[in-house]
Amino acid sequence: EVQLLESGGGLVQPGGSLRLSCAASGFTFSSYAMSWVRQAPGKGLEWVSTISGSGGSTNYPDSVKGRFTISRDNSKNTLYLQMNNLRAEDTAVYYCAKAVLLSGVGYFDYWGQGTLVTVSS
Amino acid sequence: DFVMTQTPLSSPVTLGQPASISCRSSQSLVHSDGNTYLSWLQQRPGQPPRLLIYKISNRFSGVPDRFSGSGAGTDFTLEISRVEAEDVGVYYCMQATQFPYTFGQGTKLEIK
Repeated sequence: EVQLLESGGGLVQPGGSLRLSCAASGFTFSSYAMSWVRQAPGKGLEWVSTISGSGGSTNYPDSVKGRFTISRDNSKNTLYLQMNNLRAEDTAVYYCAKAVLLSGVGYFDYWGQGTLVTVSS
Repeated sequence: DFVMTQTPLSSPVTLGQPASISCRSSQSLVHSDGNTYLSWLQQRPGQPPRLLIYKISNRFSGVPDRFSGSGAGTDFTLEISRVEAEDVGVYYCMQATQFPYTFGQGTKLEIK
């Protein structure tokens, strides 16, 4: 059974940093791309980042490029999201998602329960 | 960026009746490999999203066959043949044909 468990969310001041983790199990972690998707309170879904199975390729939307860094440790079956220079508009539930991607195209087949990040003074 | 537009944004449906949600992309979602990476997600209240349909019309594992997807190019539809109480929630279309991946605004399905 595929399981994705996010952690690391919490309250942080504007301009601060936070690192999210996603522990994966139930599949061969290194064989799959992984992504982060966020959802602001009462809003829709927004793609945040994707990393290839090897970790050698990453992608971000303009809204987080240069501030967020996605990474993975395949020896620990864990995905990370380092978030720097946080803004109020980054407040959201952050989900990690397993991706079925080939050369960057595909779909997300499993999602974690999410971790809440609140950026506020 | 590919803009995904869903209609309606809210859909009150009677139990046992069909429901239909439309999703339109600002550009064709056909990839150079010939596939179209349009998927549908369901988000029940208080729950994370769940994959229902991928590549336009393929039902994901465990998804009831009352859910079906169709369409091509820029226009896509999710249909529920007979709505059940457990289908209440928000439905999103998503394109992963090109970065940045984008989602529709969501359609809230509720029971009349």
